[in-house]
Amino acid sequence: SQQGEEDPQALSIQEGENATMNCSYKTSINNLQWYRQNSGRGLVHLILIRSNEREKHSGRLRVTLDTSKKSSSLLITASRAADTASYFCATDPLEGYSTLTFGKGTMLLVSP
Amino acid sequence: DAGITQSPRHKVTETGTPVTLRCHQTENHRYMYWYRQDPGHGLRLIHYSYGVKDTDKGEVSDGYSVSRSKTEDFLLTLESATSSQTSVYFCAIRGQGQVRAEAFFGQGTRLTVV
Repeated sequence: SQQGEEDPQALSIQEGENATMNCSYKTSINNLQWYRQNSGRGLVHLILIRSNEREKHSGRLRVTLDTSKKSSSLLITASRAADTASYFCATDPLEGYSTLTFGKGTMLLVSP
Repeated sequence: DAGITQSPRHKVTETGTPVTLRCHQTENHRYMYWYRQDPGHGLRLIHYSYGVKDTDKGEVSDGYSVSRSKTEDFLLTLESATSSQTSVYFCAIRGQGQVRAEAFFGQGTRLTVV
C-alpha cells in the first residue's frame, strides 16, 4: 500500500496566491521529500526534510514536518503560472533499504 | 541534469509478448528503481536494485523481472505483457554521495499493450 497520501488531490489558485499541499504517511521515516512533475515529464526533486527537522525553506518553498502526526506540508508562496504541475511527497523508510514510496500527488493549477 | 536515460521512450506491443525496458545511468549511483505511474495511483515501486546483481521486489512486482549486471544498466522485463501493464514507466537513480538523498528520474517510457 502507498505510504504517502497528498491532500488535496487538486488545487486551483490565481497567480500571486499561496498554495499549500499536505502529505500524510504511515510508518517511521528517515526523511520525506517533495517532487514536482510537469505534464508528460519525469519527476524533479524539490526539497528534502529529515526526520529530526521541523521546517525547511528553499526559495519560495517552505516544508514542515510533524513526525508525531506523521504529516508534512508544502507551501509555495507567491505562485506563478509556471508552478502549474503535479506535486508528490515521498517517504524514505527508517529501516531497511533506501526506497522511496510516493503518494498519489496533488495537481496544482495556477491561473494568470 | 543527472545522466539517466530510458529506452525506448514509447512502445506499443501485443498481449503475451515479452518486453524489456532499459535504464542507463552515467552517474555511478548505487540505487536504481523502476516505478510505474497510473492515473489515480501515483507512482508505485516495481523493483529496485541496491548494487550489481542485488535486486528486490517493490509493491507491484508481479509479472515483472529485473536484472542489473553492471552499475550503469537496470533492465525491466515484462515476461508476458498484459493490458494491465499499459502504463508510464519511470526509472530513478539515487545514492552517489549520500545514500538517503534525492532521486533523479528519467523521462519515462510510455508502454501500451494491445
